[in-house]
Amino acid sequence: QLQVQESGPGLVKPSETLSLTCSISGGSIRGDHYWGWIRQPPGKGLEWIASINDIGNTYYHPSLESRATISVDTSNNQFSLRLNSVTAADTAVYFCARDLTGSSAFDLWGQGTMITVTS
Amino acid sequence: QSVLTQPPSVSGAPGQRVIISCTGSLSNIGAPYDVHWYRHVPGSAPKLLIYAYNRRPSGVSDRFSGSRSGTSASLAITGLQADDEADYYCQSYDNTLTGYLFGPGTKVTVL
Repeated sequence: QLQVQESGPGLVKPSETLSLTCSISGGSIRGDHYWGWIRQPPGKGLEWIASINDIGNTYYHPSLESRATISVDTSNNQFSLRLNSVTAADTAVYFCARDLTGSSAFDLWGQGTMITVTS
Repeated sequence: QSVLTQPPSVSGAPGQRVIISCTGSLSNIGAPYDVHWYRHVPGSAPKLLIYAYNRRPSGVSDRFSGSRSGTSASLAITGLQADDEADYYCQSYDNTLTGYLFGPGTKVTVL
């Protein structure tokens, strides 16, 4: 059964770079699907961040594009997100997910990892 | 202010039907771009209920259905159950912002 699982540092200092990894098990990252990152700040709604496919085609939320980099590592069956110059506004639960259709219909989600930006 | 708007909350008695609206514009739902719906219980992973307006992923109950009219979309939940209590989000693409957007979410309460 295909599963995705996020991993991250938990705490990040302001102005530093957040690095997250999504590991895929029970299946391959290769294929027709896109894979994405979504976050939810405390008490707020969901926000799509970025998506990528297995050959590295990417697209980003316009408000985060200048700070975010999504990448794929097919040999390790994972994809990653780097978000630089973080502030308290980046504190959120970060989810990785599989895009079922290529139009960001995310049908398989990880449990999420809480990231807190604090000095 | 969200590009996609949803009512903050809806409620219904067990067994009733509730409808959650998602109102957009000609640059998103009305373009038309696909609309997806998710159910989210805080602390757990969101669940895709409806994609491409009215298609259900495998395993999703037929109590959930989606529709679109003009610049709005709707999610209907029939036979409301206690465990339907959750936050529900719509999602679409916006060609002005050039990105995928979620609505602000609607909290469903079962009375």
